[in-house]
Amino acid sequence: TQLLEQSPQFLSIQEGENLTVYCNSSSVFSSLQWYRQEPGEGPVLLVTVVTGGEVKKLKRLTFQFGDARKDSSLHITAAQPGDTGLYLCAGGPSGTYKYIFGTGTRLKVLA
Amino acid sequence: EAGVAQSPRYKIIEKRQSVAFWCNPISGHATLYWYQQILGQGPKLLIQFQNNGVVDDSQLPKDRFSAERLKGVDSTLKIQPAKLEDSAVYLCASSPGWAEKLFFGSGTQLSVL
Repeated sequence: TQLLEQSPQFLSIQEGENLTVYCNSSSVFSSLQWYRQEPGEGPVLLVTVVTGGEVKKLKRLTFQFGDARKDSSLHITAAQPGDTGLYLCAGGPSGTYKYIFGTGTRLKVLA
Repeated sequence: EAGVAQSPRYKIIEKRQSVAFWCNPISGHATLYWYQQILGQGPKLLIQFQNNGVVDDSQLPKDRFSAERLKGVDSTLKIQPAKLEDSAVYLCASSPGWAEKLFFGSGTQLSVL
């Protein structure tokens, strides 16, 4: 079973702090995507990383795809209360055509 | 452009009853997904369609869950009979193709009492 394990599962930090969320798998992915989900809504795409070693920046968010395309990370600089939500990595394991989500990281940023 | 439509928004049933969810994807999207999401966890793929064919249903409890996608457009997901552990949010999503950006509906929150 292909799994995407995220860590940490929960994170509660003060406004202005930095944080990193990890997404790991034993499978290779052709690409990985990061989503954010707010209560009562479906996940919304933040970014797609495709190439091993790729780094993408989206304002205060930095996404990295591992060289072996088995892991990814999301770094948030100077977190704000508006960053609060459930962060999910997702992708299609190589050799399959299904699309799976990670276990999720619930982030709460306190003002 | 209209988004992914799901109904109903909420459903409360007793265990052993039946329930059905409906999804209308974005026009032209070939891939349709049904996910089950337990509160605070990541969505779990139940079934994935490519047009009207099944790509993956390995985690669909086939003794009680069924799904179909008629004419490669709308889809329904049925649970019969429901169990307490089926209480969750059922999300439908569509994408132009495999592993492309997924667009989600608002989900159906199911409570089984």
